[in-house]
Amino acid sequence: AQSVTQLGSHVSVSEGALVLLRCNYSSSVPPYLFWYVQYPNQGLQLLLKYTSAATLVKGINGFEAEFKKSETSFHLTKPSAHMSDAAEYFCAARGGGYNKLIFGAGTRLAVHP
Amino acid sequence: KAGVTQTPRYLIKTRGQQVTLSCSPISGHRSVSWYQQTPGQGLQFLFEYFSETQRNKGNFPGRFSGRQFSNSRSEMNVSTLELGDSALYLCASSLAVGDTDTQYFGPGTRLTVL
Repeated sequence: AQSVTQLGSHVSVSEGALVLLRCNYSSSVPPYLFWYVQYPNQGLQLLLKYTSAATLVKGINGFEAEFKKSETSFHLTKPSAHMSDAAEYFCAARGGGYNKLIFGAGTRLAVHP
Repeated sequence: KAGVTQTPRYLIKTRGQQVTLSCSPISGHRSVSWYQQTPGQGLQFLFEYFSETQRNKGNFPGRFSGRQFSNSRSEMNVSTLELGDSALYLCASSLAVGDTDTQYFGPGTRLTVL
C-alpha cells in the first residue's frame, strides 16, 4: 500500500532556529503533496501544496517545502521558528499511486525560548 | 466565507449505541470527505462524497456509513459503537474531487465511547 512517512514524531527547536520537518512518499508515480498544520483542539489548516507547477513551494506563515523526485521527499522548512509555530504537522499525498488523501503519522513541533 | 462546520463538537455515547455526525461544507463546495483521527492510528480516510454519490471509501467496517444531501451537507453514522470508535472525526470540503483540490477541514467532532 502507498504510504507517507514522516521521520520524527517529535521535533524540538529553539525560537529563531531553523525548522525542518521531513516527509517521504512511497509511490513510484509522484503524487500531489500537501502539508497541513493542526493546533490543539482544532481541525487541519493547509500550509502549502505541491501540484507539479514548481518544485519549491511557498506557503503561509513563512513555511516552504521542496519536492525532490530523486529522493521521493517533500520536506517542510522555516528559516526561523516562532513560538506560535508549536503545533502538529501532517504531510499528505494524493494522486499518482494514491487514490485518496493519505496522511503521514504527524510530527509534533515544540518551540522553546 | 464561512468555513466548514461540524456538529456537535463533543459527544459522549455508550457502547452499543449509534451516533450521527453532521458536516456543512464551505458554500459552493460539492465534495465532502470524512476522516477519523486517533492517537494510535493517526488520520484515516473514511469516505468521500461528491454530488450525493460516494466516490471513495476507506477500510472501515460496515458500521460506519455516510451520505450527502443535495445541498452538499453530509452526515456520517456509526452504529453499534465500540470503545475503539472514540476519536476525533474530521470533515473536509473541497470544490470537487480532483487530486489537487485543497481540502478545507472543520474543527471536528470529538466522540467518546464509554
